[in-house]
Amino acid sequence: DTGVSQDPRHKITKRGQNVTFRCDPISEHNRLYWYRQTLGQGPEFLTYFQNEAQLEKSRLLSDRFSAERPKGSFSTLEIQRTEQGDSAMYLCASSFDSRRGYTFGSGTRLTVV
Amino acid sequence: AQRVTQPEKLLSVFKGAPVELKCNYSYSGSPELFWYVQYSRQRLQLLLRHISRESIKGFTADLNKGETSFHLKKPFAQEEDSAMYYCALTGANSKLTFGKGITLSVRP
Repeated sequence: DTGVSQDPRHKITKRGQNVTFRCDPISEHNRLYWYRQTLGQGPEFLTYFQNEAQLEKSRLLSDRFSAERPKGSFSTLEIQRTEQGDSAMYLCASSFDSRRGYTFGSGTRLTVV
Repeated sequence: AQRVTQPEKLLSVFKGAPVELKCNYSYSGSPELFWYVQYSRQRLQLLLRHISRESIKGFTADLNKGETSFHLKKPFAQEEDSAMYYCALTGANSKLTFGKGITLSVRP
């Protein structure tokens, strides 16, 4: 197990297009988190899963954003009808026990042109 | 609501100087506090957590509940400590809340 993997590393898309990102967590971790980070800011929470259940979704997340974790393993984050304001680094993290901290992936950098 | 404040954006010191990166938090319950570090072109990684009371790479952090602070300290900075540092908090909901981060620059 090489840690948390995210794909793709970079994505450039035209405004209005849909994009989907994938995250593969550490296999024994039951919790998976999505964060967004923009320049000069710390990571902002988007949503998290415990196994396949989506337990919390940030109010920052518009209806254009949806996340799934169908079998409690990998997760996908989809953004529909992208806007320039969606340009950011999208980070995925996983944990077994949040008190021990999370393990982060390298992120997917989205640029909407 | 849980909130983490890192009041400074940049700290620049010379090699061998002491370092203190400030972090204050707001949380009504008993929080778990962490410091994360991001070196240039690397992923965000856990540096230390308050429950383990450990020292990692010479860094320590003490949770002060009275002052609601969790400052990160190192007595003698090294050039390889140059990085972005984030303070973070989690509570009963297991969600990590991050501060805005501080850039530490250690000059030779």
